[in-house]
Amino acid sequence: EAGVAQSPRYKIIEKRQSVAFWCNPISGHATLYWYQQILGQGPKLLIQFQNNGVVDDSQLPKDRFSAERLKGVDSTLKIQPAKLEDSAVYLCASSLMAEVQYFGAGTRLSVL
Amino acid sequence: AQSVSQHNHHVILSEAASLELGCNYSYGGTVNLFWYVQYPGQHLQLLLKYFSGDPLVKGIKGFEAEFIKSKFSFNLRKPSVQWSDTAEYFCAVSPSYSGAGSYQLTFGKGTKLSVIP
Repeated sequence: EAGVAQSPRYKIIEKRQSVAFWCNPISGHATLYWYQQILGQGPKLLIQFQNNGVVDDSQLPKDRFSAERLKGVDSTLKIQPAKLEDSAVYLCASSLMAEVQYFGAGTRLSVL
Repeated sequence: AQSVSQHNHHVILSEAASLELGCNYSYGGTVNLFWYVQYPGQHLQLLLKYFSGDPLVKGIKGFEAEFIKSKFSFNLRKPSVQWSDTAEYFCAVSPSYSGAGSYQLTFGKGTKLSVIP
């Protein structure tokens, strides 16, 4: 069974630039999550999708972050414009329902 | 709001030593509990989980954890560690029921385990 796929693995940008991350969940998983993991901390939820609808985006900085899951399968997370404090690993996870979440390898973002 | 506290930032052990990593959580309801592990250069992987039933749960690679509801704790144990257990370990909690359908994981800050051969 293929796992959660994410790309790119690494991204370096300058502040005020925009960046996008892509995630393809495990086949059949209706729930998709984006987490942000800052160095030295545990992952923090940014947004949760159930199929193509948003369930929880209370911790998403909506002035600069956006996410979509148009067809209920893969998802993109965008940052525009990026700030220095956005440097982190962005993790995508998926689950069948309210069960175990399976994580992708993540995208490591460095904002210079 | 949920919160998770992991007691140790970095633990260094010799091979064959016993391991116990502490985890306490704060949440005003019934929870699901998890330990995830991240080996160097790899993604987060589930080590074990507790949803209900027997509070002593066994996971992969000889790990186990005990849920003590009265102490809001879910400590991870292994009787004899190996060099290959060198990794970062994260305790996490999610609500076992959410009317809004939000089952976000709240993670602790993680504990780095270094096992010396």
